[in-house]
Amino acid sequence: DVKVTQSSRYLVKRTGEKVFLECVQDMDHENMFWYRQDPGLGLRLIYFSYDVKMKEKGDIPEGYSVSREKKERFSLILESASTNQTSMYLCASKAGRYEQYFGPGTRLTVT
Amino acid sequence: DQQVKQNSPSLSVQEGRISILNCDYTNSMFDYFLWYKKYPAEGPTFLISISSIKDKNEDGRFTVFLNKSAKHLSLHIVPSQPGDSAVYFCAASRLTGNQFYFGTGTSLTVIP
Repeated sequence: DVKVTQSSRYLVKRTGEKVFLECVQDMDHENMFWYRQDPGLGLRLIYFSYDVKMKEKGDIPEGYSVSREKKERFSLILESASTNQTSMYLCASKAGRYEQYFGPGTRLTVT
Repeated sequence: DQQVKQNSPSLSVQEGRISILNCDYTNSMFDYFLWYKKYPAEGPTFLISISSIKDKNEDGRFTVFLNKSAKHLSLHIVPSQPGDSAVYFCAASRLTGNQFYFGTGTSLTVIP
């Protein structure tokens, strides 16, 4: 069975802290994605990666960076967390053109 | 600008009746469309997809219809069950791209 895991389900951080969100997939997928979900705004793409060390900006990359050193792992980094980055963060992976598989999400609260 | 739109934020349906969720898109280059279902505090799960060479795809109680000329797709759930209560997202992608574009979601409530 396919599996995408995220390091934390709930996270509370202070303004200005550096935050790392980790995502691991066990399906050998080339493509991995980071989204945030906010009420009324749906899923918005932050960054995606189509190969190790490769990344592309999505629709809302400001304030975020990513790292993909191994095929199975894709990290989202908030360089200096701000309250407007309080959100649900979802990681996904896919192979080729087919559907994405999502992790359970990380609910991040920045105070 | 939002390329995929779900104009109904919520929908309530009686158990056993049909649920129809709608989705519009603006980019004529989109050729692959999907529906995802999301329960609170969980990640979205894939439900059903359709490519632009078809106008209908069925999977059990779920049917997706695609009207390319109107740039519109819909998801029909028949019969609706209380367990179908969730947020439904439609998504679209282009032949040459990796990126999926998601709508804002429709919250479906199926009333027992």
